Amino acid sequence: DVKVTQSSRYLVKRTGEKVFLECVQDMDHENMFWYRQDPGLGLRLIYFSYDVKMKEKGDIPEGYSVSREKKERFSLILESASTNQTSMYLCASSSHGWGTGSRATQYFGPGTRLTVL
Amino acid sequence: GDSVTQMEGPVTLSEEAFLTINCTYTATGYPSLFWYVQYPGEGLQLLLKATKADDKGSNKGFEATYRKETTSFHLEKGSVQVSDSAVYFCALSQGAQKLVFGQGTRLTINP
Repeated sequence: DVKVTQSSRYLVKRTGEKVFLECVQDMDHENMFWYRQDPGLGLRLIYFSYDVKMKEKGDIPEGYSVSREKKERFSLILESASTNQTSMYLCASSSHGWGTGSRATQYFGPGTRLTVL
Repeated sequence: GDSVTQMEGPVTLSEEAFLTINCTYTATGYPSLFWYVQYPGEGLQLLLKATKADDKGSNKGFEATYRKETTSFHLEKGSVQVSDSAVYFCALSQGAQKLVFGQGTRLTINP
């Protein structure tokens, strides 16, 4: 079974702190994603990566950065946390799956609920 | 841009009732369509998917048919159980492996 793990289930930080959220997958997937989940808004893509050291902005990248130094690990960084970044953060991974039948099945971690005070 | 619209929740049903959660999409091209489920305290799991028009995805008694003419992918189950209580997300993908999600529908099943 695919396993995606996230470093913390719950995290409380103060405004202005630098925050690191870590995600690790064990299935040698090329693609990794960071989303935030807010009530009534569904999941919104923050950043994604197709390969090591590659990153692309999603729909809401402002205030975030990412790092992918190894294939299995994708980190989300809040350079200076703010209260409006209080949210549930979900990491996901998928294989390239270039065949039509295997497109884009993403496997999700359990999420990190971040509270910024 | 691409978008997904789900019926607003929350939805509350009694056990063994029939379930429909509506999902419509707007997209250029021919997206793949997905339903993901999120049980309390967990991440999202893929429930079912369909990759082309008229395909039917099914899993755990749930079904959804890709309707290109109505741009819809409604989720149905004939007889729900308490264990089906969760948040359900409709999503689409085309090209680049990115998913676009609907806002989610919270389903509660009462015994």
